[in-house]
Amino acid sequence: KAGVTQTPRYLIKTRGQQVTLSCSPISGHRSVSWYQQTPGQGLQFLFEYFSETQRNKGNFPGRFSGRQFSNSRSEMNVSTLELGDSALYLCASSPGGGANYGYTFGSGTRLTVV
Amino acid sequence: AQRVTQPEKLLSVFKGAPVELKCNYSYSGSPELFWYVQYSRQRLQLLLRHISRESIKGFTADLNKGETSFHLKKPFAQEEDSAMYYCALGFFQGAQKLVFGQGTRLTINP
Repeated sequence: KAGVTQTPRYLIKTRGQQVTLSCSPISGHRSVSWYQQTPGQGLQFLFEYFSETQRNKGNFPGRFSGRQFSNSRSEMNVSTLELGDSALYLCASSPGGGANYGYTFGSGTRLTVV
Repeated sequence: AQRVTQPEKLLSVFKGAPVELKCNYSYSGSPELFWYVQYSRQRLQLLLRHISRESIKGFTADLNKGETSFHLKKPFAQEEDSAMYYCALGFFQGAQKLVFGQGTRLTINP
């Protein structure tokens, strides 16, 4: 079955702009999580969505937001981009529910802010 | 607070030597522990989870609740094992959560 698909793969944006990243989870998976990966900070949790509801949010400013659609696809948005937002943004899906089965990750979107 | 500690940022061993990547966690409940691996230019992928008690690519990991550890081991390292390894703690508290360690970059020297 198809894996987790993230689009686009690469993005270059200018400071102050906003960006939207997309994630299509594995079919049947209802939980989608987003992570920011940087060499210095490693994998930092952004948020988790389940059945269109944000259940958990990490310690990121309000410029970072997301949503999930009825087909479980998810988007994250970063407004007023800063240079420090340059990172690999990873999406992960899992069946969700009450147990933790581990996640399947996408290839990520590499965002460069100039 | 829930935390995962991987004390070694870098680990270098020779081909054929044993490998042990250390992972300690902090969690008061019943944890789900995972090892993820990221090979160069590839996506982060699940290597193994403690609940399945399986061996993947020759790697094993045993959960030691007394020492709150979940070290990853392989008796004979191979060059293709060179990668970034992340230990992760999973739990459910109203929402699904997965907390990662900082990762260990493993290099296998020929």
